[in-house]
Amino acid sequence: DQQVKQNSPSLSVQEGRISILNCDYTNSMFDYFLWYKKYPAEGPTFLISISSIKDKNEDGRFTVFLNKSAKHLSLHIVPSQPGDSAVYFCAASFMDSNYQLIWGAGTKLIIKP
Amino acid sequence: GVTQSPTHLIKTRGQQVTLRCSSQSGHNTVSWYQQALGQGPQFIFQYYRKEENGRGNFPPRFSGLQFPNDSSELNVNALELDDSALYLCASSLDGGQVPTGELFFGEGSRLTVL
Repeated sequence: DQQVKQNSPSLSVQEGRISILNCDYTNSMFDYFLWYKKYPAEGPTFLISISSIKDKNEDGRFTVFLNKSAKHLSLHIVPSQPGDSAVYFCAASFMDSNYQLIWGAGTKLIIKP
Repeated sequence: GVTQSPTHLIKTRGQQVTLRCSSQSGHNTVSWYQQALGQGPQFIFQYYRKEENGRGNFPPRFSGLQFPNDSSELNVNALELDDSALYLCASSLDGGQVPTGELFFGEGSRLTVL
């Protein structure tokens, strides 16, 4: 039972353009969502998060949008840079067990020069 | 940062394995995740102040310890082929309250069970 889904295994984007990574979830009780980035041979690193009471959070080139009615969130990277090439994971948590992250399978982002 | 050892190891079915993790300085909470190939990490358990503070859907043959210096071990007994995965350790503060602090991950220990 996959509660967090990333349906695109990979995405290729031209350098300088916008990258949009998508994530769908099934459980409306999730109250916090996070994005992590992972380079090969390294552990995931935190990128940006959003509370379920918000619909947008921005940090520099990274913006996360949350659409609760559609149970969908997206990560926008503008402009995309070669160093953004990595695997991006979407994760979610519940208020009463917020130590446990539930993860999607990841999307591999490739930025073309 | 968070360091894990060993980085790679090979075991045979039925054996036991111990994986180690040193937390980021100042962090008092350690979580362990299993990441199978092509999937996202799955929560195994978390240790906070030396006590197991939550557990995912993993059998009792997965066990852990947290030491006074906040380092941690993951032990897996009676290894099965499906235990082959990347095991990730993450440290954080105060029971891993996700909204107030993200998890800091090590590079992982890749276990192969033959």
